[in-house]
Amino acid sequence: LAKTTQPISMDSYEGQEVNITCSHNNIATNDYITWYQQFPSQGPRFIIQGYKTKVTNEVASLFIPADRKSSTLSLPRVSLSDTAVYYCLVSPGTGFQKLVFGTGTRLLVSP
Amino acid sequence: NAGVMQNPRHLVRRRGQEARLRCSPMKGHSHVYWYRQLPEEGLKFMVYLQKENIIDESGMPKERFSAEFPKEGPSILRIQQVVRGDSAAYFCASSPSGGRSYEQYFGPGTRLTVT
Repeated sequence: LAKTTQPISMDSYEGQEVNITCSHNNIATNDYITWYQQFPSQGPRFIIQGYKTKVTNEVASLFIPADRKSSTLSLPRVSLSDTAVYYCLVSPGTGFQKLVFGTGTRLLVSP
Repeated sequence: NAGVMQNPRHLVRRRGQEARLRCSPMKGHSHVYWYRQLPEEGLKFMVYLQKENIIDESGMPKERFSAEFPKEGPSILRIQQVVRGDSAAYFCASSPSGGRSYEQYFGPGTRLTVT
């Protein structure tokens, strides 16, 4: 499974856009990129998943360049409740998924 | 539609005792996964089960740990003769049969403290 690297922590203020970049240099052709969010004392929650270019849902956008060696999770106009740990995962798009979590990015949103 | 349920939420055991952690997947989900999270670390995969079958237990310690997902009832993660190093948060996740298993639904976790 491809190893991912992301910043340990990020700080932001309410109303700002936050972009968290993840590098996955060894991503395989059939790998997808998935992001999870985890609040303190809770289990992770699926946010978004993509293969290439751009994916958008009601929560976030995911930008993936053509070489797919990195990806950027974009959170528009964050609020205090977006304070959480964000995990970038890379795994095959089909079949059994053994999700591999790194240490994630700890996002702190301040007033 | 209730989410993944885990109980107990907190469990305290003395060294040498047994810990039994329960997980009820979301309705209609037949795939269950167990993960362990140590403080300040990401989750580590332990085992993947379907009803009455262990599909992959490559992340389970070889001794003292076992898991089951019977035909009826919740999935159980059992830790025998617990040691202090077993203290962690244990998360269960589920996904539907034939669904996108990268999209797993996690429960709130059971926090095990071994004294």
